[in-house]
Amino acid sequence: DGGITQSPKYLFRKEGQNVTLSCEQNLNHDAMYWYRQDPGQGLRLIYYSQIVNDFQKGDIAEGYSVSREKKESFPLTVTSAQKNPTAFYLCASSNRGGGKVEQFFGPGTRLTVL
Amino acid sequence: GESVGLHLPTLSVQEGDNSIINCAYSNSASDYFIWYKQESGKGPQFIIDIRSNMDKRQGQRVTVLLNKTVKHLSLQIAATQPGDSAVYFCAENGGGATNKLIFGTGTLLAVQP
Repeated sequence: DGGITQSPKYLFRKEGQNVTLSCEQNLNHDAMYWYRQDPGQGLRLIYYSQIVNDFQKGDIAEGYSVSREKKESFPLTVTSAQKNPTAFYLCASSNRGGGKVEQFFGPGTRLTVL
Repeated sequence: GESVGLHLPTLSVQEGDNSIINCAYSNSASDYFIWYKQESGKGPQFIIDIRSNMDKRQGQRVTVLLNKTVKHLSLQIAATQPGDSAVYFCAENGGGATNKLIFGTGTLLAVQP
């Protein structure tokens, strides 16, 4: 089946620890995205990548880092510098289409900082 | 509409009625719009999209209307079913070429049996 997978579904972290969230897609999409969702709010863009080995900061990149070494994978690291990391994290991918294509979303990872 | 904090706008409808969910978008340069459905604890699912050269687009049981004059988007769901209960988000592309989307805060649709 084609799609986007995120792992783990639930993640618990102690304060001061870095943690990496996995995102893999087999849709052959060039572009990938990470969003953060807080209760009752819309999605906010953390980082995005339009092509392998290239990525750009989104609206709330502070305290996060990413890499894009393979087309299929776009892992997100939540660092200890992120002051309020507890949230629902969503990964998405899309074709490159000049801003007129749908983004496909993964099932999400819920991160809780203890 | 827009929400503040934890309180999403909520639309409560009876099963079998038609639902209309509204969205005010922010950027007059936006030329592509999407509606997503998000069930609790899951990722958003694509429902329907529309480009700015259209006023209306229909899918299966859903219709999207676009009014560029007042920057307004609406999603109509015919014969609403309990399985339609979810949060619905609109998104706009801001007119850019990077495939970035700008999401609204969402509306909770509650279908009463």
